[in-house]
Amino acid sequence: EAQVTQNPRYLITVTGKKLTVTCSQNMNHEYMSWYRQDPGLGLRQIYYSMNVEVTDKGDVPEGYKVSRKEKRNFPLILESPSPNQTSLYFCASSLYGVGEETQYFGPGTRLLVL
Amino acid sequence: GDSVTQMEGPVTLSEEACLTINCTYTATGYPSLFWYVQYPGEGLQLLLKATKADDKGSNKGFEATYRKETTSFHLEKGSVQVSDSAVYFCALSPTQGGSEKLVFGKGMKLTVNP
Repeated sequence: EAQVTQNPRYLITVTGKKLTVTCSQNMNHEYMSWYRQDPGLGLRQIYYSMNVEVTDKGDVPEGYKVSRKEKRNFPLILESPSPNQTSLYFCASSLYGVGEETQYFGPGTRLLVL
Repeated sequence: GDSVTQMEGPVTLSEEACLTINCTYTATGYPSLFWYVQYPGEGLQLLLKATKADDKGSNKGFEATYRKETTSFHLEKGSVQVSDSAVYFCALSPTQGGSEKLVFGKGMKLTVNP
């Protein structure tokens, strides 16, 4: 089954404790992206990647890191989480980019930073 | 910059009622337009899209027409069902500036009662 998976689905952590949210797709997509969803703000892009070893900032990259060492994986790293990073996070992928293409979203990771 | 404005709700309807969710956009050039739907506890999935002016996207009884003259992409359904209860996001894909992201509206929560 073609899908985007994220782990963990739910995470409670404390300020300053490094964490990684994994994202993996099995559709051989070149483009992958991370969004955060906050009430009243909709979805905002954090980082995106056009291909292996190619990443770029979205609208809200502060406090986040990403890497793209393999085509299928695009982990999101919070090196020192803060309470304002409490949010619902979605990974998305598509074949080549945004343009006219359908984005495939993962199920989401709900993060609470205390 | 590019932006999407949509009805935010929440909206509650009875089964078989008509639905219209307004969406207008601001963009340079000719963006592609999308409606994504988020069912409870799930990630977003594409509902329909239109890639040029006067195109009509349709799926699952929903329709939306790309109106360049009014910069709108309103979502309509003639008879909603309980299973349509979800959050609906209007989004656009910018065509200029090298951006590789979807620009989302804030989302509208729809509840359909039997």
